[in-house]
Amino acid sequence: GQQVMQIPQYQHVQEGEDFTTYCNSSTTLSNIQWYKQRPGGHPVFLIQLVKSGEVKKQKRLTFQFGEAKKNSSLHITATQTTDVGTYFCAVPRTSGSRLTFGEGTQLTVNP
Amino acid sequence: NAGVTQTPKFQVLKTGQSMTLQCAQDMNHEYMSWYRQDPGMGLRLIHYSVGAGITDQGEVPNGYNVSRSTTEDFPLRLLSAAPSQTSVYFCASSLGTGPGGYTFGSGTRLTVV
Repeated sequence: GQQVMQIPQYQHVQEGEDFTTYCNSSTTLSNIQWYKQRPGGHPVFLIQLVKSGEVKKQKRLTFQFGEAKKNSSLHITATQTTDVGTYFCAVPRTSGSRLTFGEGTQLTVNP
Repeated sequence: NAGVTQTPKFQVLKTGQSMTLQCAQDMNHEYMSWYRQDPGMGLRLIHYSVGAGITDQGEVPNGYNVSRSTTEDFPLRLLSAAPSQTSVYFCASSLGTGPGGYTFGSGTRLTVV
C-alpha cells in the first residue's frame, strides 16, 4: 500500500515561533489528509488536499500539496500553547478506504 | 448524533483471554477502520471495512478478527490476548467518498498482563 514519510518526528518551539511538518511519498498520491491529536486524545481531521499545488488555510495553519502530488506540508504561523499535539498526515487508497498514517510530528510549545 | 462510540475505555486482560472491543457509529458511514497506537509507532491499521459484509486486513491483522454485519457496528475481537497487544485502540469511520476525513472514537486503552 501507499506509504508516507513524515519529518521531523519531534519539534520543540517557543510560543510565537513558526512550525512546519512535511510528508513525502515515493508515489503519486490521489489526495492527502491531515489530522491533529492532542495529548491523551484521539486524532481529529483537519483537512484534505486533492489538487496539484493546492494551498489551503485555516486561520494560522497553511496546508500545501506539492505540484507532483508526492509531498505535502503543514505550516503553523506564530504557534500558541493550544497548538501542542501530534500532527499526522494520512493517505487513502483512491477509493478512500485503507487510510495509512505517517508517523506523526510531535509539537511542544514552550510558553 | 454521538459520532463514533467505543467501549470499553479501559481494559486489563490476562494473557490468553479473549475479548471484543465495541465500535458503533451513527453517521451512516460506509467505511470503518480499526487502528492501534503504540508509543513512537504512530497509527497502524489492523482491519478495515468498506461496507456491511465486507472486511479486509490492514498492516497488522494477526491476532485480531473483525466482522461487519451492520453499517453501524464494527467490533474487534482479540482471540487470545498477548502482552504485545497492549496498546491504545482507535475505531474510525468515514463516508468513503467526498471531501471529509475519518471521524475517530475516543479510544480503548488495553493492557495485557
